[in-house]
Amino acid sequence: EEQLLESGGGLIQPGGSLRVSCAASGFTFSTYAMSWVRQAPGAGPEWVSTITADAGVTYYADSVKGRFTISRDNSKSTLYLQMNSLRAGDTAVYYCAKDRGLFGYTSGWYNAWGQGTLVTVSS
Amino acid sequence: AIQLTQSPSSLSASVGDRVTITCRASQGISSGLGWYQQKPGKAPKLLIYDASSLESGVPSRFSGSGYGTEFTLTINSLQPEDFATYYCQQFNSYPLHTFGQGTKLEIK
Repeated sequence: EEQLLESGGGLIQPGGSLRVSCAASGFTFSTYAMSWVRQAPGAGPEWVSTITADAGVTYYADSVKGRFTISRDNSKSTLYLQMNSLRAGDTAVYYCAKDRGLFGYTSGWYNAWGQGTLVTVSS
Repeated sequence: AIQLTQSPSSLSASVGDRVTITCRASQGISSGLGWYQQKPGKAPKLLIYDASSLESGVPSRFSGSGYGTEFTLTINSLQPEDFATYYCQQFNSYPLHTFGQGTKLEIK
């Protein structure tokens, strides 16, 4: 069974930094693109960032570009999101999500999700 | 940026009913539209991708259709476990990747 387990969320002051992680199991992590999707309280999901299977290419939403960095360690089957210069508007549950595309193809559709980790940006 | 508008924003229906949810894109996206189901406190679940392809393991009572700017999700013979919030998502190419505002399906 494919499983994704996020960790690292918490309460952080505006302007602060935080790194969230996602440990994957049940599938060959190194062959799938991975993404972060966030959801603010009462709102719909918002795509944040994607990294290709080989970590060669990364994509970011305009709202986080220059502040967030996505990375992965295929030897540890782990996805990361480094978040800097955090703002109140970044408050959300952060989900890691697996792309359904085979052989590293970036399909843009997510067929496995973690349970999410809550990041709260507040003073 | 491409905007997605779902209608209705909420819907009441009974077990056994057939329901349809619409998602309109502000510009053409070919067949780059997917549908997710989300239950309270849980992550979204992929139902449909590429406008009409059923994700593995999803019951066949779920179906999707459409192309360009107008898309629909149809659920035939509603089951108790289908009451949830449904989101459409468009994907043309990165970073053009957005979700709709959601449709809450409630029991009548």
